[in-house]
Amino acid sequence: GQSLEQPSEVTAVEGAIVQINCTYQTSGFYGLSWYQQHDGGAPTFLSYNALDGLEETGRFSSFLSRSDSYGYLLLQELQMKDSASYFCAVPPTGGGNKLTFGTGTQLKVEL
Amino acid sequence: EPEVTQTPSHQVTQMGQEVILRCVPISNHLYFYWYRQILGQKVEFLVSFYNNEISEKSEIFDDQFSVERPDGSNFTLKIRSTKLEDSAMYFCASSEQIQGAEGYTFGSGTRLTVV
Repeated sequence: GQSLEQPSEVTAVEGAIVQINCTYQTSGFYGLSWYQQHDGGAPTFLSYNALDGLEETGRFSSFLSRSDSYGYLLLQELQMKDSASYFCAVPPTGGGNKLTFGTGTQLKVEL
Repeated sequence: EPEVTQTPSHQVTQMGQEVILRCVPISNHLYFYWYRQILGQKVEFLVSFYNNEISEKSEIFDDQFSVERPDGSNFTLKIRSTKLEDSAMYFCASSEQIQGAEGYTFGSGTRLTVV
């Protein structure tokens, strides 16, 4: 089976940097994705790491360490609109094709 | 930008009734999915669909659920006899290929309330 654990809630102030962690246990592994979900909205794809290291996309970066079964999403220059839930997710392995989501982290950005 | 369209956005139904949730995936995508999210919880996989058949389903997707691609554009989820615990947000998603760098595109969801 596959399980992904994240902190349930993170709070930070506008302009700050925040890191959202994800640890995973999977049978087989291809890579780690991150999705953003605003209240009541659709999950929106943010990034995908297939290899170890840091991937940067504007204010958001995502990191993966396959040896540690660990990744994180880094958000810089936080804005109020970044308040949302963030989910890590692993793609299918072994022939299946379901995306398995983590427990989700609710980020609150305060003034 | 191409998007996945879901209708209706909200559906209230009585327990035991049948509901059909509708989705129009992105036209050049080959893989289609239904996920659900109970309020405050994580997004859970229900079923995936490829080449006009179910390719994988979860334990949630029991005999009360079915999916169909009735024509070249629509993708539907039917719940035959709804239960209170079926109340959730249901998301349709599609992808050009099995999850990779491109990610899945999700629709805005249908909020189903069973009373």
